[in-house]
Amino acid sequence: LAKTTQPISMDSYEGQEVNITCSHNNIATNDYITWYQQFPSQGPRFIIQGYKTKVTNEVASLFIPADRKSSTLSLPRVSLSDTAVYYCLVGDIGGSSASKIIFGSGTRLSIRP
Amino acid sequence: TAGITQAPTSQILAAGRSMTLRCTQDMRHNAMYWYRQDLGLGLRLIHYSNTAGTTGKGEVPDGYSVSRANTDDFPLTLASAVPSQTSVYFCASSDSEEGVQFFGPGTRLTVL
Repeated sequence: LAKTTQPISMDSYEGQEVNITCSHNNIATNDYITWYQQFPSQGPRFIIQGYKTKVTNEVASLFIPADRKSSTLSLPRVSLSDTAVYYCLVGDIGGSSASKIIFGSGTRLSIRP
Repeated sequence: TAGITQAPTSQILAAGRSMTLRCTQDMRHNAMYWYRQDLGLGLRLIHYSNTAGTTGKGEVPDGYSVSRANTDDFPLTLASAVPSQTSVYFCASSDSEEGVQFFGPGTRLTVL
């Protein structure tokens, strides 16, 4: 199982770009990188997923270097509503392997006015 | 669509009593999961099911049992609750090909 390491907490201000980096030195060939967002009293919500290079959707971008030993979630122009816990998950998400995905403690992002 | 529903929303349970947490999904996902999340911590997998009729143990299965009689439902049973099972329980489902998990709203359980 690929262990992930991400900062415990981060602070930023409205309108800024926020980058959260996750380290996963033991990532395997079949592993995908998936990020979730969790608001208080709610279940985690899928943000973005990638395998290599860069992925962008309407919410965020995910940057993955060639060695795939880390990844960076980029949130453009954050707002107060982006205050949440962000989880970086690494694993082979297909089929029974999805059960091996491990949620760490995540990064608690606080956005200030 | 409703996605994933969980019931009850919250429950206070006396130690030693049994309880079943309900989870239903309408996305026809093959795989379903139960997690617990203790205050301030990440999620830990309790049990999972890759398809109807099969189940497997996750990271913290002791004290819990599950069944998967059909595609839509995945109940979690506590046979004899203990205070250490006080937690928020999340059910999730995923398509076996895509793998991204979708989560329910959670059940907050307090065992006294």
